[in-house]
Amino acid sequence: KAGVTQTPRYLIKTRGQQVTLSCSPISGHRSVSWYQQTPGQGLQFLFEYFSETQRNKGNFPGRFSGRQFSNSRSEMNVSTLELGDSALYLCASSLRPTRVTSGRNDEQFFGPGTRLTVL
Amino acid sequence: ELKVEQNPLFLSMQEGKNYTIYCNYSTTSDRLYWYRQDPGKSLESLFVLLSNGAVKQEGRLMASLDTKARLSTLHITAAVHDLSATYFCAVYGGSQGNLIFGKGTKLSVKP
Repeated sequence: KAGVTQTPRYLIKTRGQQVTLSCSPISGHRSVSWYQQTPGQGLQFLFEYFSETQRNKGNFPGRFSGRQFSNSRSEMNVSTLELGDSALYLCASSLRPTRVTSGRNDEQFFGPGTRLTVL
Repeated sequence: ELKVEQNPLFLSMQEGKNYTIYCNYSTTSDRLYWYRQDPGKSLESLFVLLSNGAVKQEGRLMASLDTKARLSTLHITAAVHDLSATYFCAVYGGSQGNLIFGKGTKLSVKP
C-alpha cells in the first residue's frame, strides 16, 4: 500500500509570494491533517480535513488555508509569505477523523514533508 | 489547554546502555503515540498506546502508558547507534481535538 505523498518536496519562495502544497493520503484514508515543524516551535497543528470539510484549525493566521478534494487529496496554501513561514510542512492521513475521547485508534501516518524556505 | 512535556530533550548515550524517556501530559487523554524522526525525514510511527497499563515492545524499545499518572515512558535497552534519532510523544486533546506533540527527545548513541 502506498504511503502518504507530498509534493513538492522542496520549495524556495520570497517574502510576499504565495505557495500551494499538495498531499495525497493513503488509499482509503479520508482524514488529512497538516502540521508545521520548526526548530523553535516544534510540531504545530495547522488544520484537519475530512470529507472535504475543515474539522479543526490550529492557531495560525488566516494566511494559512487549505482544502480537500473529493478523492481525499488535500492542498494547503500560504499567502503573503513571511520569513517565519520557513518550515517543514507535514501532512498526515488517517482512516477516521480525530476524536478526543473515542478510545479508537485514529493513528496518523505522516508523509515525507515539504521543506519550504522563504527568502 | 493540553500540554505535553518530554524529558530529557537531549540524551547522549553509549552503546549498550539503558535509558528511559519520559512523556507527561496535562489533561485526560485515552491514547498516546510515539514517533521517531530521523534528520530531515518525516515521522515514523513507533507505538500506539490505547489504554491504561498498555505496554508495547519493538526490538530494543518498549513503551508504556499510565493514564492515571498521565505519564508514558519509552525505555531503550542496550542502545545501538541505529537508534539515534529524535523521539516524539503525542496526545490527542488540543482545544480542537487535534494531536499535540512534545518537543521531542534528541537521542545520540555513541560507540
